[in-house]
Amino acid sequence: DSGVTQTPKHLITATGQRVTLRCSPRSGDLSVYWYQQSLDQGLQFLIQYYNGEERAKGNILERFSAQQFPDLHSELNLSSLELGDSALYFCASSAVGTVDYGYTFGSGTRLTVV
Amino acid sequence: GQQLNQSPQSMFIQEGEDVSMNCTSSSIFNTWLWYKQDPGEGPVLLIALYKAGELTSNGRLTAQFGITRKDSFLNISASIPSDVGIYFCAGHRSNDYKLSFGAGTTVTVRA
Repeated sequence: DSGVTQTPKHLITATGQRVTLRCSPRSGDLSVYWYQQSLDQGLQFLIQYYNGEERAKGNILERFSAQQFPDLHSELNLSSLELGDSALYFCASSAVGTVDYGYTFGSGTRLTVV
Repeated sequence: GQQLNQSPQSMFIQEGEDVSMNCTSSSIFNTWLWYKQDPGEGPVLLIALYKAGELTSNGRLTAQFGITRKDSFLNISASIPSDVGIYFCAGHRSNDYKLSFGAGTTVTVRA
């Protein structure tokens, strides 16, 4: 157990629907990062939050949004889902000033859009 | 985004072989990290490097921080079946809030 909790582990939904992925960071970590990994692809950075504020944005579609709540958990909202959104979505966390010690990743949510 | 060039993209290796992979960048990094992702799981940190020229081992894994600070290498000695997975390099530059990741090297072991 890495200490980063992601729910649900698996999600199957239809095109056009909206889903919410949830992440609880490791205790004490203020930064949360979201990544998308499609089949046989690398880790595509989506967005980063630090202590409730958006800090960096990557290749995140306008149909996707995220937020970090006062208790530091984060949610990634995916709407108007398309078949191409099927992927593994990872959340990672890091402590203040220790990005260079690396992130701790959760075990991911596998989203299948049918 | 991914600013690191990782190679090879994939490799098939014979059990017992030593293998190498590397990561290069046009930018200087202050930290190099190597992660391994098992099938269906999240990446796990293997080795972290903080000084140019540094050589660090973790069991059968050895990684080096390149002298130019623009590259890093990972070696796996005497590979075994559980070495299967995707290996990612990652780098951190000062004043950057996040890591940059390579595209990954997929390792498959022939029994």
